[in-house]
Amino acid sequence: GQQLNQSPQSMFIQEGEDVSMNCTSSSIFNTWLWYKQDPGEGPVLLIALYKAGELTSNGRLTAQFGITRKDSFLNISASIPSDVGIYFCAGQHGGSQGNLIFGKGTKLSVKP
Amino acid sequence: GAVVSQHPSWVICKSGTSVKIECRSLDFQATTMFWYRQFPKQSLMLMATSNEGSKATYEQGVEKDKFLINHASLTLSTLTVTSAHPEDSSFYICSARDRDYWNEQFFGPGTRLTVL
Repeated sequence: GQQLNQSPQSMFIQEGEDVSMNCTSSSIFNTWLWYKQDPGEGPVLLIALYKAGELTSNGRLTAQFGITRKDSFLNISASIPSDVGIYFCAGQHGGSQGNLIFGKGTKLSVKP
Repeated sequence: GAVVSQHPSWVICKSGTSVKIECRSLDFQATTMFWYRQFPKQSLMLMATSNEGSKATYEQGVEKDKFLINHASLTLSTLTVTSAHPEDSSFYICSARDRDYWNEQFFGPGTRLTVL
């Protein structure tokens, strides 16, 4: 099935550093979502974006819905060890009833 | 609120047997539930969409006779892997869409299936 291009694939950073990851698509999405998945667990929603150009924050996390509607980025500021995990972007076509299409994930490792 | 549970959390079975996985929305009603499969170090791939009271819609390449889905109530969907084989070993995750808040899918904690 269709997948989004998510980069980087993995990141190794020092505690306190900022992190940035992004997703791009060849098609337009009406909704962009960012999830975090811990090992052996289901994804947990971090941020949902519903409008092109929208910039939304959730604590140390900030995400933006690209104005072309084909991309989105997620920033994490001042990383801490519990930020470790896999981050997935997901796009949704059409209305709110559209299926989610997931990126391949960015594995984040944080050195204390 | 918006909690989705899955049972069992892990299961080991012999090749050729069938395994049933339950997905429940605990504090909301879900007219639509989704079943995903995730292989190690890979992303979530949608298998099927399950609507309460009707037949599931399967994604291309997913065998409907092998992965039986039943969504008999607004809070429960089941996935039965029939005649399981080792290649069916995977992490199965369900999600549920709140009937009243269609914008969001809430994910369950996943079920790890190992077929020997």
